Amino acid sequence: GAVVSQHPSWVICKSGTSVKIECRSLDFQATTMFWYRQFPKQSLMLMATSNEGSKATYEQGVEKDKFLINHASLTLSTLTVTSAHPEDSSFYICSARDSQGSPNTGELFFGEGSRLTVL
Amino acid sequence: AQSVAQPEDQVNVAEGNPLTVKCTYSVSGNPYLFWYVQYPNRGLQFLLKYITGDNLVKGSYGFEAEFNKSQTSFHLKKPSALVSDSALYFCAVRDVRGKLIFGQGTELSVKP
Repeated sequence: GAVVSQHPSWVICKSGTSVKIECRSLDFQATTMFWYRQFPKQSLMLMATSNEGSKATYEQGVEKDKFLINHASLTLSTLTVTSAHPEDSSFYICSARDSQGSPNTGELFFGEGSRLTVL
Repeated sequence: AQSVAQPEDQVNVAEGNPLTVKCTYSVSGNPYLFWYVQYPNRGLQFLLKYITGDNLVKGSYGFEAEFNKSQTSFHLKKPSALVSDSALYFCAVRDVRGKLIFGQGTELSVKP
């Protein structure tokens, strides 16, 4: 099946620094990628929809200046957590949809997640 | 608005017994329903989906799910559970813009 790669898989940073997480579709093109946040043993919360070549669409309550999303190519989306604080510590997961697939029925492929710990 | 609910936080079964993980949905229009599994500190793996057609959908690792329109349910089932099936399971519905809306998740524990 299609592969979505996330990097880094885990990162520890100091409070106040910025962290960038990459999401790559390895064998397909993805005009749309999604970024989720997950707290321990809880569901995935959709943060934003990343659209290649245009601005991301953020869900209500998600600070766009805090969580910068860039989707510069058909295979790469990045999430930058700016001025990270301990409350930003979480598991971040991206997913990508094959551009060839239908928006409603096409399968979404998930990355392995990135665990961010802010000290 | 589209939503799914998983009424059980945890399901415990003995190895070899059948398992059911429950999911109910609320959608306007045709439901596009999915099941995913998540192992600790990993991303989500696709199990199966219902788009249209047969109400009984077969998926990966011996799992299947039954779409029941009258009960608005999409329960995940497996005839014989394995210890390795222990994981977090998510039911999800796709909205018209293609976004997945997840249920709260059910932790499945299969004991030897």
